Amino acid sequence: IVMTQTPLSLSVTPGQPASISCKSSQSLLNDVGRTYLQWYLQKPGQSPQLLIYEVSYRFSGVPDRFSGSGSGTDFTLKISRVEAEDVGIYYCMQSLQLPTFGGGTKVEIK
Amino acid sequence: QVQLVESGRGVVQPGGSLRLSCSASGFTFSSYAMHWVRQAPGKGLEWVALIPYDGTKQYYADSVKGRFTISRDNSTNTLYLQMNNLRPEDTAVYYCAKGMGSDSWNFDSWGQGTLVTVSS
Repeated sequence: IVMTQTPLSLSVTPGQPASISCKSSQSLLNDVGRTYLQWYLQKPGQSPQLLIYEVSYRFSGVPDRFSGSGSGTDFTLKISRVEAEDVGIYYCMQSLQLPTFGGGTKVEIK
Repeated sequence: QVQLVESGRGVVQPGGSLRLSCSASGFTFSSYAMHWVRQAPGKGLEWVALIPYDGTKQYYADSVKGRFTISRDNSTNTLYLQMNNLRPEDTAVYYCAKGMGSDSWNFDSWGQGTLVTVSS
């Protein structure tokens, strides 16, 4: 399954919202109604960290300014008010089949 | 809390072999699937391999199938990646990652990574 993210990069003023799109080449909905789409953030010089799993569930400790939505093949990660600590590269990943990642979206602060 | 510590970094010639280890703590290792994920310098993330909680199956990316072997020792809470016939394109930081369930294909925690360089 091919994952395509847009945009490649995003420059955001602190306090403003940001949105990242992720599209899959086929539906990520399985036969029991679960959709296996995750979002990870890799901050500069760090390992990736899980933000969102199964489209919209925030992982433990993730601030509620992060939210995920979507269905089928189209998904979105939204940051309601970007903070300086949110800079890094965001990746979507599907795990309906053997995992594949999107190419990443680099978020920087204006 | 979950801790994953990779080791085994090194420089290897093309065609050579290397074994990576990942020492796990802070959770019941024997209850969770484990993964290896890699990141070539300046590039994105690539999933490499998965082993379920009991080690009875292994899954691989096409790019490493037949050359890499994932294994685990639940008695010592250690995950391994045996890499044979290494190629320059295998140069990357290799991360171990904890699955979200016993045979989960997604993962919630990552180690700090270990660098493998394949070069003559």
